[in-house]
Formats: sequence, C-alpha cells, structure tokens
Amino acid sequence: NAGVTQTPKFRVLKTGQSMTLLCAQDMNHEYMYWYRQDPGMGLRLIHYSVGEGTTAKGEVPDGYNVSRLKKQNFLLGLESAAPSQTSVYFCATQQVTLGVEQYFGPGTRLTVT
Amino acid sequence: GENVEQHPSTLSVQEGDSAVIKCTYSDSASNYFPWYKQELGKRPQLIIDIRSNVGEKKDQRIAVTLNKTAKHFSLHITETQPEDSAVYFCAARQSGSARQLTFGSGTQLTVLP
Repeated sequence: NAGVTQTPKFRVLKTGQSMTLLCAQDMNHEYMYWYRQDPGMGLRLIHYSVGEGTTAKGEVPDGYNVSRLKKQNFLLGLESAAPSQTSVYFCATQQVTLGVEQYFGPGTRLTVT
Repeated sequence: GENVEQHPSTLSVQEGDSAVIKCTYSDSASNYFPWYKQELGKRPQLIIDIRSNVGEKKDQRIAVTLNKTAKHFSLHITETQPEDSAVYFCAARQSGSARQLTFGSGTQLTVLP
C-alpha cells in the first residue's frame, strides 16, 4: 500500500500562474485535509472534505479551491498564485472513527516568484 | 474556533536529560490531543495521543499529561537521544463532524550529544 501520496513533490511558479496539487490515498479513508506549513506557524488547515463530492473551508481558504470527485483523490488548486502562497503543502487523511490519527502525505514544496 | 499555543519554540537538552513541551487550548469541548514529530524534510508522524477522559498516557520514553480544568497538556520525553531531535507539534481536535485538528506552532527540540 502506498498510503498517502502527493504530486508533485516540488514546484516553482511565477506570480499569476495556476496549478493543481494532487493528493491520493489507498486507505479508504473518508476524511481528507489540505494544510500549509510555514516557519513558526505550524500546520494551518486550508480546506477539508468529509466524503466524496463534499468540501469545506478551513482556517486559511482564500486563494485556494478544492475538489473531491473520487473518494481516493483530493485536489488543491491555485488559480492565480501569489508569493504569499510559497509554502509546504501537506495532505492528510483520516478514518471516520473518533480519535484515530491523521496520516500525512510527504508534502509538496511550492515556491511562487 | 480552537486556538492552540505551544511553548517553547526551541528547546536544547543534553543527551540523557528530559524534555518537556507544553500546550494550551481554548475550546473546552476539544476531546482529543495528539502529538506529532516531524523530522527535517519529512512528514509529521503521530507519536502519542490522549483523549479527554484520561489524565496521563505513557509509551516507553514518552508521556503526555492532560489537565482539562486548566486546558493544557504536555509532552514529556525522558532519557533523550540524538534521534529525538525534531520539530514536535501538539494539536487539539475540535468537536464536530469533520474531526479537524488545530495545531500549535511547533517546538524545535535539539538533543546535544
């Protein structure tokens, strides 16, 4: 089992460009999350999904969109990248059962110039 | 929403000494408190967690304590080793259906040989 994977691992964008980050999981988890990690600020929730076809905003959703057309995939889109979106992005998944851990993907390092 | 504060931001200890990291949370309805370890360039991984109906939990050299009244919880690492060097994040799970985690800002632990 691959667990949680993220594509791509690294990306450099110019201001105004768009891109999509893909999170894929083979653990049949219902919940999926997108976080960004910035120095000194921990992990902040961008968007999340409680199941196929549903998404919701987290703490820092502005400038991002998401989609969950298939249970195993959760896509994070940047329509017009800004330097403030330079960050490391982590996807995480979780079973429905209360108290079970979130499993993180390996991360995507994004630089916007 | 939930707010989690974590202290200290950096911590250096001599190998073999103990390390303590403290977190406070704001939402008295939060009921699950995990700790994640993140090595340089890697994904966060769960090392220990505690639920609100338990005051303390141990796993070999690590332990977590929870004081619900004061709304704070702590990570204790005894007999520290160089491989314990990493960033540690505390988190609190908000009540609600999406099992969202709110993370602290992280503690860089360095174990000096």
